[in-house]
Amino acid sequence: GQNIDQPTEMTATEGAIVQINCTYQTSGFNGLFWYQQHAGEAPTFLSYNVLDGLEEKGRFSSFLSRSKGYSYLLLKELQMKDSASYLCAVLDSNYQLIWGAGTKLIIKP
Amino acid sequence: GAVVSQHPSRVICKSGTSVKIECRSLDFQATTMFWYRQFPKKSLMLMATSNEGSKATYEQGVEKDKFLINHASLTLSTLTVTSAHPEDSSFYICSARGGKDYEQYFGPGTRLTVT
Repeated sequence: GQNIDQPTEMTATEGAIVQINCTYQTSGFNGLFWYQQHAGEAPTFLSYNVLDGLEEKGRFSSFLSRSKGYSYLLLKELQMKDSASYLCAVLDSNYQLIWGAGTKLIIKP
Repeated sequence: GAVVSQHPSRVICKSGTSVKIECRSLDFQATTMFWYRQFPKKSLMLMATSNEGSKATYEQGVEKDKFLINHASLTLSTLTVTSAHPEDSSFYICSARGGKDYEQYFGPGTRLTVT
């Protein structure tokens, strides 16, 4: 079966750094997405990784290791507005998105 | 960037009635559209995938006769919840994908409340 695992909830302090991990086991791999979803809103795109390594985009970075079936989203200089759920999703061999359950990130002042 | 709209954003209906939700890609042609449902504090659940001009592919456990999907053009897909019941109350989100870009662009979602 296909499976994506990420922590259910994480807490971090404003101004700090947090890393949200995602491990996956899917039938094929055509890339991994990270989305941010605020409560009551639709997901918004953060990043897409298809090759191994780190992609940096402002305060957010995403890392991928295909051999380990592992990715992480790194958020720096945390702000209160970063409180949201972060969804990891893998594009499988049929180019269908397989979604993780999401990680709820709580930022404390 | 690509924009996807959904209408209505909120709808309240009585049990037994039908509700239609529209999803439009505003500045690109969406070869594939997806319909998701999300219950409070739960993950996105894919309901169905539709390609323009063909029948939708429903996920296991989703009743195709209850959730009617029409993808008549490259910019419009509709989801009709027929004979809605309170347990159908949820956040319904569509997304669209076009061409070689496999990113899904999400609409803002529709909150359905069935009384």
